[in-house]
Amino acid sequence: SQTIHQWPATLVQPVGSPLSLECTVEGTSNPNLYWYRQAAGRGLQLLFYSVGIGQISSEVPQNLSASRPQDRQFILSSKKLLLSDSGFYLCAWSATRLEAFFGQGTRLTVV
Amino acid sequence: AQSVSQHNHHVILSEAASLELGCNYSYGGTVNLFWYVQYPGQHLQLLLKYFSGDPLVKGIKGFEAEFIKSKFSFNLRKPSVQWSDTAEYFCAVNAGGDSSYKLIFGSGTRLLVRP
Repeated sequence: SQTIHQWPATLVQPVGSPLSLECTVEGTSNPNLYWYRQAAGRGLQLLFYSVGIGQISSEVPQNLSASRPQDRQFILSSKKLLLSDSGFYLCAWSATRLEAFFGQGTRLTVV
Repeated sequence: AQSVSQHNHHVILSEAASLELGCNYSYGGTVNLFWYVQYPGQHLQLLLKYFSGDPLVKGIKGFEAEFIKSKFSFNLRKPSVQWSDTAEYFCAVNAGGDSSYKLIFGSGTRLLVRP
């Protein structure tokens, strides 16, 4: 069966520090991968999605970037965090046009 | 661009009351539609989905949703809610064409069921 792993679960980082959140999927190949940010009252905002290695589509201009160095690995990064980057980040995978399956999420607090 | 609207941000019901949560989307072509639920402290789970065929779809835990193409709607229903249905509910749309890989979510509806 397929599983998705996302880490760390919580992270506290100072303003201006770099960020790297990692997500890996097991049990499937060539998944579509997604990064979302969840904010209270605003639902899930799609940040990035990827349909293959090295293929990244950005939905929202911001201080973050994403990379997909391997088929089942998706990384969310920032060179310098801002206070406004605080939030709950979710990784998800899907087969094309089918339902998405979510990781447990990362609570990021920028101080 | 495709979008999803959930008009009810907070809903409070008593146990055994009926539930209907609204979801409207903006996209003129073929869509796949989903409802997800997030129970307190848990990750998002799929409640039900619509791809094609019968517009009335049944999901887990007694939930159902009706796809009305002419209204661009996919409302979630449950005849009799339980305290354990307290959660946040999200509608999501996956559109076709160049957007076929994107799964767009609504802003969510927080449901509180009072015993």
